[in-house]
Amino acid sequence: DSGVTQTPKHLITATGQRVTLRCSPRSGDLSVYWYQQSLDQGLQFLIQYYNGEERAKGNILERFSAQQFPDLHSELNLSSLELGDSALYFCASSGTGTGLSPLHFGNGTRLTVT
Amino acid sequence: DQQVKQNSPSLSVQEGRISILNCDYTNSMFDYFLWYKKYPAEGPTFLISISSIKDKNEDGRFTVFLNKSAKHLSLHIVPSQPGDSAVYFCAASEGSGTYKYIFGTGTRLKVLA
Repeated sequence: DSGVTQTPKHLITATGQRVTLRCSPRSGDLSVYWYQQSLDQGLQFLIQYYNGEERAKGNILERFSAQQFPDLHSELNLSSLELGDSALYFCASSGTGTGLSPLHFGNGTRLTVT
Repeated sequence: DQQVKQNSPSLSVQEGRISILNCDYTNSMFDYFLWYKKYPAEGPTFLISISSIKDKNEDGRFTVFLNKSAKHLSLHIVPSQPGDSAVYFCAASEGSGTYKYIFGTGTRLKVLA
C-alpha cells in the first residue's frame, strides 16, 4: 500500500460530460502529480502541484484542470469528454517535490468514455 | 519527442536467470533515474533509483546501472522469480530543474517457471 488514495476506481461516462477525479497524497507529502496512461502506453505527465501551487505542466489539455486544496488533496477535472480521454489516470505524491525523491502512486482511476 | 525510451516492449526469462531491462534517454539534463514495477490493476510501485553522481545502485536482487556518456541505464534482476513478472517503467527527472518525471513506455517482463 503506497498510502496514496484515488477515488473513484472506475468511472463510466458519456462524451461531452465532465468528471472529477480525487487524490489524497501520502501523509506528509506536499507534492501531487497527475499522469495519464492510455491503452498500452507509457505514463504521460499532466501536471504537478506543490503545497497548493501549480509547479509544472505537461501535456495537459485545456479541457482538463486540476487543483490542490489546503488539506493537500488534489482533484483533476476533465470536461467536454471525448472517446480518446478513456484512460487510466494516476496520482502520485512525493515529500519534497524537488525531482530528487521517488514518486509514490495510487492505484489509479479507470475512466471509460462511451 | 520521447525523451525516455524503452525499446523492448517485452522480455521473457527463465526463473533463476538474470533479467536485464534497458532504458535510453536523450536529455542530458536528467540527473535522477528511477525504476518502477507495475502489476495489472495497480499503480506503479517504486523499485530503485540512482542519481547521476553514481554509476551503480544495488538493493537486494535489483541493481541499476547508469552510463551517462551513453545516456543509458539498465535494471538487473538476479535471480529472476515468477513474481517479478510485471511491466517495468524507467523514469527520469531533472532534479531541481523542472520537477517533471518523464516515463518510458515500459517493458513487460515474463519470468517462466
